[in-house]
Amino acid sequence: AQSVTQLDSHVSVSEGTPVLLRCNYSSSYSPSLFWYVQHPNKGLQLLLKYTSAATLVKGINGFEAEFKKSETSFHLTKPSAHMSDAAEYFCVVTSYSSASKIIFGSGTRLSIRP
Amino acid sequence: GAGVSQTPSNKVTEKGKYVELRCDPISGHTALYWYRQSLGQGPEFLIYFQGTGAADDSGLPNDRFFAVRPEGSVSTLKIQRTERGDSAVYLCASSLKRGGLGEQFFGPGTRLTVL
Repeated sequence: AQSVTQLDSHVSVSEGTPVLLRCNYSSSYSPSLFWYVQHPNKGLQLLLKYTSAATLVKGINGFEAEFKKSETSFHLTKPSAHMSDAAEYFCVVTSYSSASKIIFGSGTRLSIRP
Repeated sequence: GAGVSQTPSNKVTEKGKYVELRCDPISGHTALYWYRQSLGQGPEFLIYFQGTGAADDSGLPNDRFFAVRPEGSVSTLKIQRTERGDSAVYLCASSLKRGGLGEQFFGPGTRLTVL
């Protein structure tokens, strides 16, 4: 069975400060993990993905995430927030053995204060 | 090139009616997915096509929901006897790779409102 938990429904940071969006997963098999971003009135866009290569994954727009098997976590970070980062972020888990079972987290809304 | 498109963008219907939602994937993408996203929630997997066949329809909530992809390109999600609880945004995504391991490209969604 697979599941994903996004620990914060809403995160608010000041522009120029670090961003941390937390994600924990559960998977019976070696997981593949993704972060997607959804801007208002726009489609979901892939930020980055982990598929059993390097545990530190770099994505678009300065975001990165680290796969920590011991902690079953895949937290998303960015050193310095920009106003354009305000959006909804989704952590996603799937696995090679059940690749159509794609589980989205409930989302974290990121707000950026000027 | 063109991304994934979905029509209509908004659909308002009455309880008990039949609706069809259309998805045009990116040309050449063999994998196609349908999701449902309720307010304040993440997308929920409904069905996955590889080519013309439904490889996994385990996410369809009941037999009122059905989807087809007869020529391996355009897909239609069909909902019979709509209920108020069916109100949600229905998302379509396509991918080059089999299964869910590849990047999925999402359409803008169809917002369905059942009165």
